[in-house]
Amino acid sequence: AQTVTQSQPEMSVQEAETVTLSCTYDTSESDYYLFWYKQPPSRQMILVIRQEAYKQQNATENRFSVNFQKAAKSFSLKISDSQLGDAAMYFCAYRRVASGNTPLVFGKGTRLSVIA
Amino acid sequence: SAVISQKPSRDICQRGTSLTIQCQVDSQVTMMFWYRQQPGQSLTLIATANQGSEATYESGFVIDKFPISRPNLTFSTLTVSNLSPEDSSIYLCSVTNRPMNTEAFFGQGTRLTVV
Repeated sequence: AQTVTQSQPEMSVQEAETVTLSCTYDTSESDYYLFWYKQPPSRQMILVIRQEAYKQQNATENRFSVNFQKAAKSFSLKISDSQLGDAAMYFCAYRRVASGNTPLVFGKGTRLSVIA
Repeated sequence: SAVISQKPSRDICQRGTSLTIQCQVDSQVTMMFWYRQQPGQSLTLIATANQGSEATYESGFVIDKFPISRPNLTFSTLTVSNLSPEDSSIYLCSVTNRPMNTEAFFGQGTRLTVV
């Protein structure tokens, strides 16, 4: 079974600084997707960034970028120029590629605080 | 993308009663996923709901406790039965985008408190 591990229960960053959230995963599959989701107090799960395992290039989305190391099964999220609105729970998630839909497997989450 | 309307957003229920949660999607989807998020925890998959067939439950979740209906390709309900305080959680439904199934979209979540 696939597992996702987030080893940092809590992180904090100064406004305008950069922070990196860690994620490792375990799978025997060669093709899969990795995601970072943000969950603010509103409970809404918001997709931050997605990475396809077959792509060597790291995904970027404005201030958010990932460091995807497939051999090491590592998938960290870097948030640049942190803003107060970035404060939330961040979940790393894995989804295997299969015919039809497959569910997400989530890590335990990292609570990010942004200090003004 | 897919837009999911989930109701109710929150409820407070007496132990021993049941709560039914509804999810309406703005497009037809094959599968819908139901997750539970216990306080301060991550999301755990309860079951996968296919239209026209019985839901598939994950280990630790049973149909008698979490019956699911999936009458058509845009709608599903999850009932949490015989409530106890341990059922106090956030429940979320989710679908993936068609046809590529590359992203998951979530309802707004239902915060259930059992007293």
